[in-house]
Amino acid sequence: DVKVTQSSRYLVKRTGEKVFLECVQDMDHENMFWYRQDPGLGLRLIYFSYDVKMKEKGDIPEGYSVSREKKERFSLILESASTNQTSMYLCASSSPHYGYTFGSGTRLTVV
Amino acid sequence: QQQVKQSPQSLIVQKGGISIINCAYENTAFDYFPWYQQFPGKGPALLIAIRPDVSEKKEGRFTISFNKSAKQFSLHIMDSQPGDSATYFCAASKGGTSYDKVIFGPGTSLSVIP
Repeated sequence: DVKVTQSSRYLVKRTGEKVFLECVQDMDHENMFWYRQDPGLGLRLIYFSYDVKMKEKGDIPEGYSVSREKKERFSLILESASTNQTSMYLCASSSPHYGYTFGSGTRLTVV
Repeated sequence: QQQVKQSPQSLIVQKGGISIINCAYENTAFDYFPWYQQFPGKGPALLIAIRPDVSEKKEGRFTISFNKSAKQFSLHIMDSQPGDSATYFCAASKGGTSYDKVIFGPGTSLSVIP
């Protein structure tokens, strides 16, 4: 089974902190994605990557950055956390054969 | 143009009834329409998907109906069970698969009551 692992299930951070959300996949997938999930808004794409060291902005990249130094790892960075970034963050990877596989999510609260 | 609309926002169905969730899209470049099911505390998981060259796809109790001219598609869950209680997302992507980035609808929270 393809696994996408997000390092933390719950995180509480203070306003202004730099926050790292880590995601690792074990199936050598080319594509990786970061979404945030908010009630009534569904899943909104923040950033995605088609290859190592490559990144592209999604629909809501403001306040976020990403890093992909290795194929299996895709990190989401909140440069200076704000309360409006309190959300559920979902990482996914995809391949032509498997399509999307999501991690279980990280619920981030910024206080 | 990138948006996928979904209704209703929430749905309560009796056990054994039919659950129906409707979606609509604008971008005619979309050519792959997956549905995802999400249980509390879990990430979404692919449930069923359709391409616009067919008007209906059935897998067990789950059926997608697709109307290309109206740019609408819907999920029907027959004989709904309490275990179907989850959030359902319709979605759309280009390239014939969900390999590329997927645009999601806002979700429908389904509760199936005994």
